[in-house]
Amino acid sequence: GQQVMQIPQYQHVQEGEDFTTYCNSSTTLSNIQWYKQRPGGHPVFLIQLVKSGEVKKQKRLTFQFGEAKKNSSLHITATQTTDVGTYFCAGPTGGGSNYKLTFGKGTLLTVNP
Amino acid sequence: EPEVTQTPSHQVTQMGQEVILRCVPISNHLYFYWYRQILGQKVEFLVSFYNNEISEKSEIFDDQFSVERPDGSNFTLKIRSTKLEDSAMYFCASSGAGWDSNQPQHFGDGTRLSIL
Repeated sequence: GQQVMQIPQYQHVQEGEDFTTYCNSSTTLSNIQWYKQRPGGHPVFLIQLVKSGEVKKQKRLTFQFGEAKKNSSLHITATQTTDVGTYFCAGPTGGGSNYKLTFGKGTLLTVNP
Repeated sequence: EPEVTQTPSHQVTQMGQEVILRCVPISNHLYFYWYRQILGQKVEFLVSFYNNEISEKSEIFDDQFSVERPDGSNFTLKIRSTKLEDSAMYFCASSGAGWDSNQPQHFGDGTRLSIL
């Protein structure tokens, strides 16, 4: 079945440093979605990328979708303590007229103030 | 902003007992999902539901699991005879109209299920 892989599994940074997490799918994706899960919380939708090579920004967060639509990255500039959490990428994998999301294992980001 | 609500927030059950987890999806959403997350691990898809029937299910969703939309607002997950390995956080999610893969899913706060 389809696999979605993420690296690194953990990342610890000093506040103000940048952070990047990478996501790779074993198959081409129609879109890729990114979610953030705070410790003890639920996944919260951040963004969806649909087009090949697409780049989207949300304040300090930059999301990229690869040309082959099999990989993606999330980059945070100048991290803050509020960025702490696990960042998951997820790709739709259902066939036919519906889909399910296959999540990567996530990258846990901790920020030292 | 509309939310997906789940009850209870924590359920403790003896092994072998039945448990029902409840969810109220966002009111105008038509597609509903259950996921589970074992502590410290990734979110795993269980089942998707549309038009009063299961659309897809994973290998985790075996005969012990069932879902139901008993009325116009609730969406339930039943585990018939719980096992220790069913202990996890269970998330309900829903997504809006447009039955394609481009609709983001909105997650509830989850129910932590602990099997003793």
